[in-house]
Amino acid sequence: AAGVIQSPRHLIKEKRETATLKCYPIPRHDTVYWYQQGPGQDPQFLISFYEKMQSDKGSIPDRFSAQQFSDYHSELNMSSLELGDSALYFCASRKQGSDYEQYFGPGTRLTVT
Amino acid sequence: AQKVTQAQTEISVVEKEDVTLDCVYETRDTTYYLFWYKQPPSGELVFLIRRNSFDEQNEISGRYSWNFQKSTSSFNFTITASQVVDSAVYFCALLTNNAGNMLTFGGGTRLMVKP
Repeated sequence: AAGVIQSPRHLIKEKRETATLKCYPIPRHDTVYWYQQGPGQDPQFLISFYEKMQSDKGSIPDRFSAQQFSDYHSELNMSSLELGDSALYFCASRKQGSDYEQYFGPGTRLTVT
Repeated sequence: AQKVTQAQTEISVVEKEDVTLDCVYETRDTTYYLFWYKQPPSGELVFLIRRNSFDEQNEISGRYSWNFQKSTSSFNFTITASQVVDSAVYFCALLTNNAGNMLTFGGGTRLMVKP
């Protein structure tokens, strides 16, 4: 079965640079969630989208923005990167109206140097 | 507010021992969902189980079993006859409709199974 795809899997950036992470949900899933997991921490919710509209917002810095496109893929844009942004970024997808399970992608490991 | 507490930050056992990972949650919602995820060293989050608040039936899947008790707001996870491949970080998570359908994770328990 198709899973959530995230690209790139690894990314190294320098401070003050920008980064774009991409997420391709499972086919027919209409909801996307973004989570950030710092080293040794639990995943923290950043933002979610349903039918291309932002549905909920968590602890996402103002330097970050995200959107969901007409094909339901989502992109997380990160600007003015800081060392503290180094983390594993997960995308999860779900189909509204079905069970509440969120299917996670493999994550993008971002390292800011 | 919602909260998930996994008091055990790290557990070390010897292969074939049974081990229980504790999870305590807090929510004011009457409808909610509890999850367990496994995160092996490779980093991905592997879904293990989902339990609805209105279904307190315990579940067993092979060597894994889960004990859901609403009276104590706990959703504990037991691995029977642990194996080295069980070594990972295990996260308990909570989701409620009123909190926007995002997952609130506990701090995780790192399980090390030694041969």
